[in-house]
Amino acid sequence: TQLLEQSPQFLSIQEGENLTVYCNSSSVFSSLQWYRQEPGEGPVLLVTVVTGGEVKKLKRLTFQFGDARKDSSLHITAAQPGDTGLYLCAGVVNSGYSTLTFGKGTMLLVSP
Amino acid sequence: NAGVMQNPRHLVRRRGQEARLRCSPMKGHSHVYWYRQLPEEGLKFMVYLQKENIIDESGMPKERFSAEFPKEGPSILRIQQVVRGDSAAYFCASSPGTGRREQYFGPGTRLTVT
Repeated sequence: TQLLEQSPQFLSIQEGENLTVYCNSSSVFSSLQWYRQEPGEGPVLLVTVVTGGEVKKLKRLTFQFGDARKDSSLHITAAQPGDTGLYLCAGVVNSGYSTLTFGKGTMLLVSP
Repeated sequence: NAGVMQNPRHLVRRRGQEARLRCSPMKGHSHVYWYRQLPEEGLKFMVYLQKENIIDESGMPKERFSAEFPKEGPSILRIQQVVRGDSAAYFCASSPGTGRREQYFGPGTRLTVT
C-alpha cells in the first residue's frame, strides 16, 4: 500500500487553465514537501509546509496543508508550458528523522 | 553555489559487476540521503547518513548494498554483484540537518545492468 496517494496520476491541459493536484494519506506528517521533477533530472524542492492549515504561495502556485496534517493540495493558476513536469509530494512521518516518503506523483502536461 | 553533485550520471554494468555511485552534498550540509526511483514505483528511501555514521538504513536491501559517508570525500552507494533488477535511477539528497527538513536532490545516477 502506498502511504501517500497522489491524484490525478496524469493531467493534460491547455495553457491558461487552472488545476489542482492532491496528496492524501491516512498518516499524520510532521512536515510535507512538494517537488517538481523533469525528465532525466532530480526533484527540485518547491515548498515545505509544517503547520496544519498552512497556505503558502509561490508565484502562480498555491500550496495548502490540511488541518490534520494528513493531506495537501497544489493549485496552479493560469498554467504555462514551463509548468510541465512530474509533481511529487513527500512527507516526513517521524519528526526525529527527516527521511521522506514519496507519492508516485502527478504528471502534468501543459500544451501551448 | 554548487548544488548536490552526483557522478557518474550514467553507469552501465554487466550482471555480477560492482557499481559505485558518488554523491557530494551541498556546501555546509552534513546529512545525506539515498533514494531509488524505479519506473511506475516512485522514489523510495534507502539510507540516511551523517558524517561517518549510518543513521537509518531501513530502506536498504539486506544484501549486496552498502553506503558510507566518510569524514572526507563524497558519500558512496555501493552495489555488489549487480542484477538486472538493480537498474534504476539513484538519487542523493542533502540537508543541513539541525532541525531543517528541506532536502535538496542531485541530478541522479542512472544505472543500467545488462
